[in-house]
Amino acid sequence: EDKVVQSPLSLVVHEGDTVTLNCSYEVTNFRSLLWYKQEKKAPTFLFMLTSSGIEKKSGRLSSILDKKELFSILNITATQTGDSAVYLCADLTQGGSEKLVFGKGTKLTVNP
Amino acid sequence: NAGVTQTPKFRVLKTGQSMTLLCAQDMNHEYMYWYRQDPGMGLRLIHYSVGEGTTAKGEVPDGYNVSRLKKQNFLLGLESAAPSQTSVYFCASHQRSYGYTFGSGTRLTVV
Repeated sequence: EDKVVQSPLSLVVHEGDTVTLNCSYEVTNFRSLLWYKQEKKAPTFLFMLTSSGIEKKSGRLSSILDKKELFSILNITATQTGDSAVYLCADLTQGGSEKLVFGKGTKLTVNP
Repeated sequence: NAGVTQTPKFRVLKTGQSMTLLCAQDMNHEYMYWYRQDPGMGLRLIHYSVGEGTTAKGEVPDGYNVSRLKKQNFLLGLESAAPSQTSVYFCASHQRSYGYTFGSGTRLTVV
């Protein structure tokens, strides 16, 4: 059974800090790994990673995938209070179902 | 705007009552999914559909049934609600190369 594990489960930082969120996965038919941000409503898409070692960036957020070691990290630099949210990592498998298997999420709180 | 629409947005049920949650998408996506989200648990897949007329079980299917009679609609049914089904339910649709689109969620409380 596919498994996605995120760490830490919660994190409290001050504005301006840099944070690194971790996601490890054990899947049989890996295709892509996705990151989402969730703020009390539906998850919003951040990144999809398919190839190892290629960093994806969007403003202060960046993410990279290591397919050999089976993990991904999400970095947020110069954090702001608006970054407070639950960050979800999900594996998109091959095999026809196109299912997303989610980790439990990391709850990030950014204090002023 | 185009997307995924869930109805209702909120509902309170008594134990043993039944209800149906409706998910409608207007993007002609083949794949549709129902997830539930409980505190600290991420999203867990209940049932999914890879096309009109098809359904399959996900990770936590017990106590739920689904139907996809039309491509644009995916219904989630609770035949006899239990307090353990208190949760936030998200529907999503998906098309290869276009990614997932989530609905805004249904908050269900079973008392």
